[in-house]
Amino acid sequence: ILNVEQSPQSLHVQEGDSTNFTCSFPSSNFYALHWYRWETAKSPEALFVMTLNGDEKKKGRISATLNTKEGYSYLYIKGSQPEDSATYLCALETDSGGGADGLTFGKGTHLIIQP
Amino acid sequence: NAGVTQTPKFQVLKTGQSMTLQCAQDMNHNSMYWYRQDPGMGLRLIYYSASEGTTDKGEVPNGYNVSRLNKREFSLRLESAAPSQTSVYFCASSENRGTLRGQYFGPGTRLTVT
Repeated sequence: ILNVEQSPQSLHVQEGDSTNFTCSFPSSNFYALHWYRWETAKSPEALFVMTLNGDEKKKGRISATLNTKEGYSYLYIKGSQPEDSATYLCALETDSGGGADGLTFGKGTHLIIQP
Repeated sequence: NAGVTQTPKFQVLKTGQSMTLQCAQDMNHNSMYWYRQDPGMGLRLIYYSASEGTTDKGEVPNGYNVSRLNKREFSLRLESAAPSQTSVYFCASSENRGTLRGQYFGPGTRLTVT
């Protein structure tokens, strides 16, 4: 069983502040690292899928970086807005030799933006 | 374009009863997945189907069976439900296994086993 860890578990941030959180994962058999946003009463939605060491992706005020050698990824949110309140999930996709396996998810970081 | 749909939305079963959770996608995706979400746990993969005609076990397959009926539909069956299977079940799909566009999730089925 792969261990994908996210920290912190929850985070309160003032509106307008920037924030970041971490996903750590085992480096062996790495294929891709996914980030999802999960709003209350909705389904998870994909933010980023990253495969290359040093990869950096950006969507609006949200960006993510990837370090496959040391096994971590950061998600950054710049100038937090109330609509950013959600649980952010990271998920590891491995390839044990037969093509990409399914995703192993972390428990998520629950982000609350306070006005 | 409905994306990924799941039925039913809610279900209560008694221990030992059986049921099938249905999932369908209209995005012409090749790969489909079943996850369960429990309090304090991340989403855990039950089974997946990389393409029509194939299925593989995920992290927590015991007590479940799946059928990839056709390219659109992937069902999850509980043959003899147990209280430990009380959970929220999510179906997801992706273009292919290993796609860089991520997975698309359905709305979930909340199952309670008493």
